[in-house]
Amino acid sequence: DQQVKQNSPSLSVQEGRISILNCDYTNSMFDYFLWYKKYPAEGPTFLISISSIKDKNEDGRFTVFLNKSAKHLSLHIVPSQPGDSAVYFCAAKAGNTGKLIFGQGTTLQVKP
Amino acid sequence: GAVVSQHPSWVICKSGTSVKIECRSLDFQATTMFWYRQFPKQSLMLMATSNEGSKATYEQGVEKDKFLINHASLTLSTLTVTSAHPEDSSFYICSARGTPDGYTFGSGTRLTVV
Repeated sequence: DQQVKQNSPSLSVQEGRISILNCDYTNSMFDYFLWYKKYPAEGPTFLISISSIKDKNEDGRFTVFLNKSAKHLSLHIVPSQPGDSAVYFCAAKAGNTGKLIFGQGTTLQVKP
Repeated sequence: GAVVSQHPSWVICKSGTSVKIECRSLDFQATTMFWYRQFPKQSLMLMATSNEGSKATYEQGVEKDKFLINHASLTLSTLTVTSAHPEDSSFYICSARGTPDGYTFGSGTRLTVV
């Protein structure tokens, strides 16, 4: 039962263009969403988050959009840089437990 | 910012032996620690949740007698893989929660059981 899904295993984007990573969830009890960047054999690095009471949060080149009715969130990176190449995970938190449930990850490759 | 130190970063052990992984929050108190494992090219799967001073809560399918978790203080949690087998080989990551929405991850431990 995959409660958080990232249906695109990989994404390739040209440097300078926009990268859009998508995430869907099924549990309406999730109240907080986070995006992490991860390299192999390293822990995840926090990028940006959004509360379920908002529909957009922006931090520099990173913007997260939340569509609660569709149970969908997306991470926009613009402009994309080669250093952004990594695996991106979305995660969702259920307020009552505090647990983070992760999606399967999307490997982003930004080509120079 | 918040830092979580996880050790060792990698370990190789023989089948049947036990391995202990430590996770320390260096500059904050973590009331809750989470332990994850990640198989190659897969997601981070939550194994258990531990609160300081109480028994860990394990996710369905995770053997509590095999994966012993101790959270004796607000800055230290340990995961012990007992009687390790090759199928336990994985990447183990801890996460410390210091604030309601603040999760800090350790750098992970690559366990290889031979």
